[in-house]
Amino acid sequence: DAGITQSPRHKVTETGTPVTLRCHQTENHRYMYWYRQDPGHGLRLIHYSYGVKDTDKGEVSDGYSVSRSKTEDFLLTLESATSSQTSVYFCAISDPRDLETQYFGPGTRLLVL
Amino acid sequence: DQQVKQNSPSLSVQEGRISILNCDYTNSMFDYFLWYKKYPAEGPTFLISISSIKDKNEDGRFTVFLNKSAKHLSLHIVPSQPGDSAVYFCAASEGNQGAQKLVFGQGTRLTINP
Repeated sequence: DAGITQSPRHKVTETGTPVTLRCHQTENHRYMYWYRQDPGHGLRLIHYSYGVKDTDKGEVSDGYSVSRSKTEDFLLTLESATSSQTSVYFCAISDPRDLETQYFGPGTRLLVL
Repeated sequence: DQQVKQNSPSLSVQEGRISILNCDYTNSMFDYFLWYKKYPAEGPTFLISISSIKDKNEDGRFTVFLNKSAKHLSLHIVPSQPGDSAVYFCAASEGNQGAQKLVFGQGTRLTINP
């Protein structure tokens, strides 16, 4: 299994509060991704990173920001959480030697009240 | 607009029989396709993939078929086992150099009955 951890695994927060989710990898892979999973939508890409300090937007990036100051860590921040951001968040990684295959972390379940 | 669609939300199959999961796509720029399996409270696990230059890829009990003209792919599992009960997602990418932005279908819940 790819060495990917996510923290926290579960979080309950209130509308309007900032939230940061962390993805940590031990594989030294260059590419990292954040997805959210919602019923009826499958997984949708929020942001991705192609190197330290190099990030770009995905399909559903509004309301989210990311940072990557080290190869191993990719942070997803909800500046002011809304109920529509209640979801399960997955981090994924991929390596240039096998670009197309992404390996996923265990997920963070976020509830915004 | 859903570029990747799995039109069957659920599928029930007898143990030992063949399971066939289907996926349709609309973007003709997609050139790489993957299937992921997901158990509750876990992340998706990569199962099998296929490049658009092929029409079939096989790995043990799992075979993926790609019909580019119909923009359709399917995953065959034979024989089906109880441990195959999970949600299956198909995904597609445009295969650019660099980060691969996967587009996922909605998922199909497969239940294998003893």
